[in-house]
Formats: sequence, C-alpha cells, structure tokens
Amino acid sequence: EPEVTQTPSHQVTQMGQEVILRCVPISNHLYFYWYRQILGQKVEFLVSFYNNEISEKSEIFDDQFSVERPDGSNFTLKIRSTKLEDSAMYFCASGQGEKETQYFGPGTRLLVL
Amino acid sequence: LAKTTQPISMDSYEGQEVNITCSHNNIATNDYITWYQQFPSQGPRFIIQGYKTKVTNEVASLFIPADRKSSTLSLPRVSLSDTAVYYCLVGGTNDYKLSFGAGTTVTVRA
Repeated sequence: EPEVTQTPSHQVTQMGQEVILRCVPISNHLYFYWYRQILGQKVEFLVSFYNNEISEKSEIFDDQFSVERPDGSNFTLKIRSTKLEDSAMYFCASGQGEKETQYFGPGTRLLVL
Repeated sequence: LAKTTQPISMDSYEGQEVNITCSHNNIATNDYITWYQQFPSQGPRFIIQGYKTKVTNEVASLFIPADRKSSTLSLPRVSLSDTAVYYCLVGGTNDYKLSFGAGTTVTVRA
C-alpha cells in the first residue's frame, strides 16, 4: 500500500535557525497538506497546496513558513527562523481531492532549543 | 465547518464493542462525516467516511441517523492495539483542511 513518507523523523535545532522538513506524498495525489501537533494538543492545519500554489493557510502559517514542491515527488515545509514555540510534531498529508481521504505521514518531531 | 462534540475518553475491555457518538448539530447539506484514528507519535489514519445511514468496512461501522445531527463509530471486538485517539470530523466538498478537535481517547484493557 502506498504511503506518505517524511524525513527526518527527528530534528533538533537552535532558535533562529532555518529548518526544512521533507515529505514524499503518494504519487498520484494532487493535494498536499502540512499539519502540526504540539505535544499534548490537537492536530492543527497549517497549509494546503494544489496545482503548485497555496490553496489555503491558517493563521499559524505566517511569513516564517513557506512550502515548495521542488520536483515531481517532494513537498517541503521551510521554517525560516525557528522559535521555541515551533517545537511540535509536523505531519505531511496528501489526498486525491477536497473531500477525499487525506493520508498522513509518520511525522517529523521538531525540537527548537 | 460544522463543530463536533465527542466524549473526552472511553474505557473498554478486549473483545467488547466500542461505540463513540459524535454530535454535529449544525452539519451542512454537503458535509461528510469522517473518522480518523491516531496512535501516540503517529499521524492520523483514516478509518471511515459516510454521508447518511450506515457504512461498514473491514475496520469499523459508521451509523448516521436520518437528521445527520450525530453519528456513531462502532469498533467491533476491540483489542489492546485499538487503544488510540479517535477523531470525528465534519466537512464538505469545498473544504481543503481537516479540523481536528480533541478527539476521544479510547483505552482498551486486558
């Protein structure tokens, strides 16, 4: 069964540093998403991406965040200057359509020191 | 997006059936009801989706009454590995994002 994969599984960084989280969505999916989950809290939507552009973003997704699909397979989330409060689990998801099932990756645990 | 209400937690024993009811009083005509499961330190996993009446797959059943203001996820004969958080989500065909609430933490004991 096809899966969404994410790298790295864990990332530790210093406050103010840039991080790039990588995702490989399921190959025939057209919609891509990033979510985050702070420890002990609910899963929060960050951004959705379709047809090489952002289709929707949340208030969390400010100017420090950006997404890119640099080639036909990867989907990346960049945090330009990390803050302590960016520490969370970041999940990538992909789907075939708006109401269709979203398939989540295993997540990247980001720790900002 | 329709707001959902579900119990914070439920306890069960192996082999029992677990039923989790979700209220969504302001569900819209084009909204679907979707349930996800999340294990600790893993991404949410799709379980089942429905619009009305009953849907069944190899994992669970979803019961939706005629007024669609609530839905019940039924997990038959749970095992210890079914211990997880279960989320009820309601959204329509134009919703890109999934809005997760706190979910229901189901704990299955031996």
